[in-house]
Amino acid sequence: AQSVTQPDIHITVSEGASLELRCNYSYGATPYLFWYVQSPGQGLQLLLKYFSGDTLVQGIKGFEAEFKRSQSSFNLRKPSVHWSDAAEYFCAVENTDKLIFGTGTRLQVFP
Amino acid sequence: DAGVTQSPTHLIKTRGQQVTLRCSPKSGHDTVSWYQQALGQGPQFIFQYYEEEERQRGNFPDRFSGHQFPNYSSELNVNALLLGDSALYLCASSQTPTGELFFGEGSRLTVL
Repeated sequence: AQSVTQPDIHITVSEGASLELRCNYSYGATPYLFWYVQSPGQGLQLLLKYFSGDTLVQGIKGFEAEFKRSQSSFNLRKPSVHWSDAAEYFCAVENTDKLIFGTGTRLQVFP
Repeated sequence: DAGVTQSPTHLIKTRGQQVTLRCSPKSGHDTVSWYQQALGQGPQFIFQYYEEEERQRGNFPDRFSGHQFPNYSSELNVNALLLGDSALYLCASSQTPTGELFFGEGSRLTVL
C-alpha cells in the first residue's frame, strides 16, 4: 500500500540555520509528491510539488525539495530559516486523485 | 477572491449526537474533498464530491456521509459520534477532480 513516512516528529533549529525535513514514500509508479505547511489554527498551504522532470523543485517562501527515486525520498530544504517558518510540515503522495499524508514534522525556531 | 471557507470553526458535541460541517469551495472550483486530521496525525482522506456525486471514498464507516449542492458547496455529516471522531475536519476544493487542492482552515470537532 502507498504510504509516506516522516521520520522526524519534532525538529528545533536556530534562526538563520539551514533546514532539511525528511520524507520517504512507498509508491509503485512514478509518484506525484507534495509538501504542505500548517501554521497553528490554520489549514494547509502548498509549498511545492513534484510531478516529473527536474528532480530539484523550487517552492514558495524559499523552500526547495529534491526527488531521489533511488532512495524513495523527497526531502524539503531551506538554506536559512526564519522565525515565521515555525509550523507543522506535511509530506504527501497523490494516489488516484487523493492525497496520502505523512504524520508531519513540527518545526520550532529559536531566535 | 475568497478561498475555501468552512463553518463552524469550532464545535463541541457529545457521544451519540450527529454533526454537520459545511464547506464553500474557492471560486471557480467544482470539486470538494474532505479530510480528517486527528491530533498529532496527518490528514486522512474521507471522500471527494464532484457533480453532486461521491466520486471516491476513503476508509471511513458509513456514519460519515456527505453531500454536494448545485452551487458546489458541500456538507459532511457524521452520525452516532464517537470520542474518536474528535479531530480537525479539513475541506479542500479543486478546479477538477485531479486539480491542485486548496484547503480551508478546518472545523475543529470535540466529542465529549
